[in-house]
Amino acid sequence: GAVVSQHPSWVICKSGTSVKIECRSLDFQATTMFWYRQFPKQSLMLMATSNEGSKATYEQGVEKDKFLINHASLTLSTLTVTSAHPEDSSFYICSAIEFQETQYFGPGTRLLVL
Amino acid sequence: AQKVTQAQTEISVVEKEDVTLDCVYETRDTTYYLFWYKQPPSGELVFLIRRNSFDEQNEISGRYSWNFQKSTSSFNFTITASQVVDSAVYFCALRGNNRLAFGKGNQVVVIP
Repeated sequence: GAVVSQHPSWVICKSGTSVKIECRSLDFQATTMFWYRQFPKQSLMLMATSNEGSKATYEQGVEKDKFLINHASLTLSTLTVTSAHPEDSSFYICSAIEFQETQYFGPGTRLLVL
Repeated sequence: AQKVTQAQTEISVVEKEDVTLDCVYETRDTTYYLFWYKQPPSGELVFLIRRNSFDEQNEISGRYSWNFQKSTSSFNFTITASQVVDSAVYFCALRGNNRLAFGKGNQVVVIP
């Protein structure tokens, strides 16, 4: 299957700092990527849909100024958590569609804000 | 709106037993895709299977099998002769109208 990578896998930062997470499709081009957030023992929550060359589409309740998404190329999307606070601590997962509507997921990034 | 229901939250089985995970979905789309993903403790979601709405053929892959019944809007997943490595959270998902809706997941614990 298709491979999606994420970097970094772990981030620990101080409150108030910004954190950037990269998502790459390694062996295919992805015009659309997705960013999810997952709290412990819960399902995935879609945060936004990232479209190459255009603005991301955010889900209701997700602050677009807080979670900046950039999809500058067909293989790279970035999520920047600006001025992170402890409540932003979570597991962030990106995904991309490769073939026949199948979404492949990255390994995730665990963010801990102190 | 799309909805996926996985009623069983946590299922414990003894190794070598079979386990079936139920998935019921709701959608108004005539064309849609159903998926199962495995999320081991490491966190990465592993794609297991895709089935489109026009293909009701059941599928077997090794110890995994899937039963798709459009009449009851169900897409159930069975692990035969479970192993400890099968311990994970399993998510059923429905894609339609450019959105992927997840169920709440089934935590499967295989006891050696």
